[in-house]
Amino acid sequence: DAGVIQSPRHEVTEMGQEVTLRCKPISGHNSLFWYRQTMMRGLELLIYFNNNVPIDDSGMPEDRFSAKMPNASFSTLKIQPSEPRDSAVYFCASSSAAGYTFGSGTRLTVV
Amino acid sequence: KNEVEQSPQNLTAQEGEFITINCSYSVGISALHWLQQHPGGGIVSLFMLSSGKKKHGRLIATINIQEKHSSLHITASHPRDSAVYICAVLNSGNTPLVFGKGTRLSVIA
Repeated sequence: DAGVIQSPRHEVTEMGQEVTLRCKPISGHNSLFWYRQTMMRGLELLIYFNNNVPIDDSGMPEDRFSAKMPNASFSTLKIQPSEPRDSAVYFCASSSAAGYTFGSGTRLTVV
Repeated sequence: KNEVEQSPQNLTAQEGEFITINCSYSVGISALHWLQQHPGGGIVSLFMLSSGKKKHGRLIATINIQEKHSSLHITASHPRDSAVYICAVLNSGNTPLVFGKGTRLSVIA
């Protein structure tokens, strides 16, 4: 198994632009999580899905952030419009009863 | 107060030393993870524990459910062990991890 696959690995964009982060979870994992990591706040949960259904999006900072999981093998996190304070590493993770696996993360820089 | 507390926050050790990182939590959990993150790198799950002890190479993780405490030990530490070690707990089922703030370990040759 290739693990949890995130793309892109790095993204540099200008303030105001739309950013879309992508995640392919491990096949058979029924939960998917989006986390954000910054130096100041550490790892924070943004949103998670069970069986493709969003369960808790209370961590999504504001309406500029949205996430979808149209099927069991794909999820997106979108920021529109992006702001410099959104600069962070965004991790996707998937889990089953057997374990929890993180993707390699997307390092986002908004200038 | 954070639900998951780790100590120490920072740790510097000489190569070969035995290292212990501690984690205490205040909530009921179904499992506890020890995660490792190298600088600029991804997050790797080292162990998932719900009871007892697990060992993988030079790494040992223990958990005491009654005391709500877990420890991660590294024997014969090496500079390549330098990383941030994060304790994270799972409340139940397919729920998000609750993270500690991490312990930054530097092992000097």
